[in-house]
Amino acid sequence: AQSVTQLGSHVSVSEGALVLLRCNYSSSVPPYLFWYVQYPNQGLQLLLKYTTGATLVKGINGFEAEFKKSETSFHLTKPSAHMSDAAEYFCAVSPTGANSKLTFGKGITLSVRP
Amino acid sequence: DAGITQSPRHKVTETGTPVTLRCHQTENHRYMYWYRQDPGHGLRLIHYSYGVKDTDKGEVSDGYSVSRSKTEDFLLTLESATSSQTSVYFCAISPGEPNTEAFFGQGTRLTVV
Repeated sequence: AQSVTQLGSHVSVSEGALVLLRCNYSSSVPPYLFWYVQYPNQGLQLLLKYTTGATLVKGINGFEAEFKKSETSFHLTKPSAHMSDAAEYFCAVSPTGANSKLTFGKGITLSVRP
Repeated sequence: DAGITQSPRHKVTETGTPVTLRCHQTENHRYMYWYRQDPGHGLRLIHYSYGVKDTDKGEVSDGYSVSRSKTEDFLLTLESATSSQTSVYFCAISPGEPNTEAFFGQGTRLTVV
């Protein structure tokens, strides 16, 4: 069975500050890893994903994440927060193979202060 | 945006009534999923489909059934709605390997009173 842990439910940063959202996973085999973003009253949008290859993954809107197998982590970062980054962020894991059956973390709400 | 349409977008229903939510895709993707989103729980998988007439249960399938008679349509039915099924329901689609990304619909907000 797979699981995802996102510690804390809310992160607040100042505009221009570093954004760091943590994600740890549990899986018996190396999984595929994802970060999704959800803006109010909208569906989920993929920020980035790790499947194979380079462990530092770059996504949309200046976000990136690094897969660290030894730490079972896939933390999301952005060097400089923008007001438009305020949203809910979900880390997710799926088994390798054809079926993208995702297991989600509980989500983290990011607030950006002016 | 991926061509996914969920209907209805909002619904209020009474306890004990059956409810059907529809997900329609225009991408011809093989896999389709129903998730529910609740505060503090993230998204949890209800049921999924890996082809026409091929479905399987997710982690929170009790009280729900699904059907997929065509590639493009995936229906979620609450057989007898309860207040605990008040939630936001999301449909997702995926082509499977090698592109493992799942694309999400806009969601259906269901309130059971």
